Amino acid sequence: GENVEQHPSTLSVQEGDSAVIKCTYSDSASNYFPWYKQELGKRPQLIIDIRSNVGEKKDQRIAVTLNKTAKHFSLHITETQPEDSAVYFCAAKGPNFGNEKLTFGTGTRLTIIP
Amino acid sequence: DTEVTQTPKHLVMGMTNKKSLKCEQHMGHRAMYWYKQKAKKPPELMFVYSYEKLSINESVPSRFSPECPNSSLLNLHLHALQPEDSALYLCASSQSQDVKYFGPGTRLLVL
Repeated sequence: GENVEQHPSTLSVQEGDSAVIKCTYSDSASNYFPWYKQELGKRPQLIIDIRSNVGEKKDQRIAVTLNKTAKHFSLHITETQPEDSAVYFCAAKGPNFGNEKLTFGTGTRLTIIP
Repeated sequence: DTEVTQTPKHLVMGMTNKKSLKCEQHMGHRAMYWYKQKAKKPPELMFVYSYEKLSINESVPSRFSPECPNSSLLNLHLHALQPEDSALYLCASSQSQDVKYFGPGTRLLVL
């Protein structure tokens, strides 16, 4: 089955600087890669996703890049703000019809230092 | 309505109790999911319902019993749980196979 590794497990960044979280996946057939943000005591919220036919996607201060050859994808947050502090999970999903399973990474706790 | 709702928000139960968790979505999504999340861990898939039929059961113990009465509702019936079952139980829904929207969760404590 799919295996997703996520690094780093914790990340502290000065407010205004950029943060980068990296994930690698094992199944070359995986074709959908979402990122979820989970604040303490709250639900995971989808913040950005990318499909395998695209190399990069951007939404305001958040961007995701995908390297299919190397089987890794990254989350980039620019101009970080205190409200970006949360746990971030990457995930990967295969293409098979009926394959509903998202395999999650282990999470990155991001702390923005004011 | 663009939300998945869950009740109750918190639940404390003894090991001999029977309780149910409820999830509702009115986005017309065809698939609904139950996930279990332990502290500082990612969500773990338990069950998937697609078009109101159980399509995936991730080898979950029989003390957890899912039910999908209609396309908007998903229940999780709990019976004879163990303390290690204490966790945040998340419901999610999706229209495509990809994008999944999570509910706020039910925080369960088994004594």
